[in-house]
Amino acid sequence: DAKTTQPNSMESNEEEPVHLPCNHSTISGTDYIHWYRQLPSQGPEYVIHGLTSNVNNRMASLAIAEDRKSSTLILHRATLRDAAVYYCILSNQGGKLIFGQGTELSVKP
Amino acid sequence: NAGVTQTPKFRVLKTGQSMTLLCAQDMNHEYMYWYRQDPGMGLRLIHYSVGEGTTAKGEVPDGYNVSRLKKQNFLLGLESAAPSQTSVYFCASSPDRAGANVLTFGAGSRLTVL
Repeated sequence: DAKTTQPNSMESNEEEPVHLPCNHSTISGTDYIHWYRQLPSQGPEYVIHGLTSNVNNRMASLAIAEDRKSSTLILHRATLRDAAVYYCILSNQGGKLIFGQGTELSVKP
Repeated sequence: NAGVTQTPKFRVLKTGQSMTLLCAQDMNHEYMYWYRQDPGMGLRLIHYSVGEGTTAKGEVPDGYNVSRLKKQNFLLGLESAAPSQTSVYFCASSPDRAGANVLTFGAGSRLTVL
């Protein structure tokens, strides 16, 4: 299974945009890029996913590099409720999601 | 619509005891998964199932058994619990096997083995 690399932690100010990076240099052509987040004492929740093109939904945007070796999760206006661990994961046709360590995002008021 | 429900939410066991964690989903999903999460770490896949009657090993399957007798239920068993199995266990389900499938997680089951 291809691996992802994320910074261990990041800080953001409330109401400012946040860009969470993810490197996946060994990604294969059929791997989807998924992002999940885990709020304290809760199970992970889905944020967004994509294959080749940039994606937007009500929670976030996903920017995928042209060579697909990296991607960035964009939270347009961070709120205190966005403080969580964010996981970047690759998923292929086998359907398994293998989680890494994730990035712990803290949001300052 | 309950989504994914895990029982029990908390359990304390003594070393050597056995127990079963139950995961139930009401979304008619084909795939189901069991993960464990240790303090300060990400989730590690224990076992998963691609449909009723099937199971497969994940990253850390040793010491655990699973069964998927009904499509909506995925059971995780510990035959002889060890302190190293103290963890928070998460169940998840997804509709299909394609790489685009999205997982829905339960709230977790916290297990302590003394």
